[in-house]
Amino acid sequence: GENVEQHPSTLSVQEGDSAVIKCTYSDSASNYFPWYKQELGKRPQLIIDIRSNVGEKKDQRIAVTLNKTAKHFSLHITETQPEDSAVYFCAAKNDYKLSFGAGTTVTVRA
Amino acid sequence: KAGVTQTPRYLIKTRGQQVTLSCSPISGHRSVSWYQQTPGQGLQFLFEYFSETQRNKGNFPGRFSGRQFSNSRSEMNVSTLELGDSALYLCASSATGERRTGELFFGEGSRLTVL
Repeated sequence: GENVEQHPSTLSVQEGDSAVIKCTYSDSASNYFPWYKQELGKRPQLIIDIRSNVGEKKDQRIAVTLNKTAKHFSLHITETQPEDSAVYFCAAKNDYKLSFGAGTTVTVRA
Repeated sequence: KAGVTQTPRYLIKTRGQQVTLSCSPISGHRSVSWYQQTPGQGLQFLFEYFSETQRNKGNFPGRFSGRQFSNSRSEMNVSTLELGDSALYLCASSATGERRTGELFFGEGSRLTVL
């Protein structure tokens, strides 16, 4: 089955700096890679996703890159703001199921 | 459009008991997935239902079961509860067919505490 590893588990950044979260996956058949953000006490929500036929995707201050050969993908948040503080989950989907990483707790220091 | 609704939101059980959790998906969504969330373990996939059929299953013991009804509402059941079953159980629905995007829409979860 699919195994998704996510690093780091915690990340503290100064407001205005960038944050990078990295994930690796094991199943080469995985073709869809979403990122979810979960604020404290709230439900996870999709923030950005990428499919295997695309190498990079941007949406305002967030971007995701995918390296299919190395089987890893990353989330980049630029110009971090206090509202970016949350737990971020990467995930990988093959034909059968969506598997999540263990999550990264991001804290943006004012 | 109403979001995914889960009931109950909080519940406390003792070891050995059983529990049933309910999930009503977004109208028109026929796929419902269940996840267990515990600190440090992320979101562990339990199972997915589509058109009343279990389509996929995660690596959980047989004490965890589920079903889906003709109106796409889903329930999951945990029998013979153990302390380690204490967690937030999240349900998510997604569109299928021509409206499929892959996005999961999560409910607020049912927080189970086993004493």
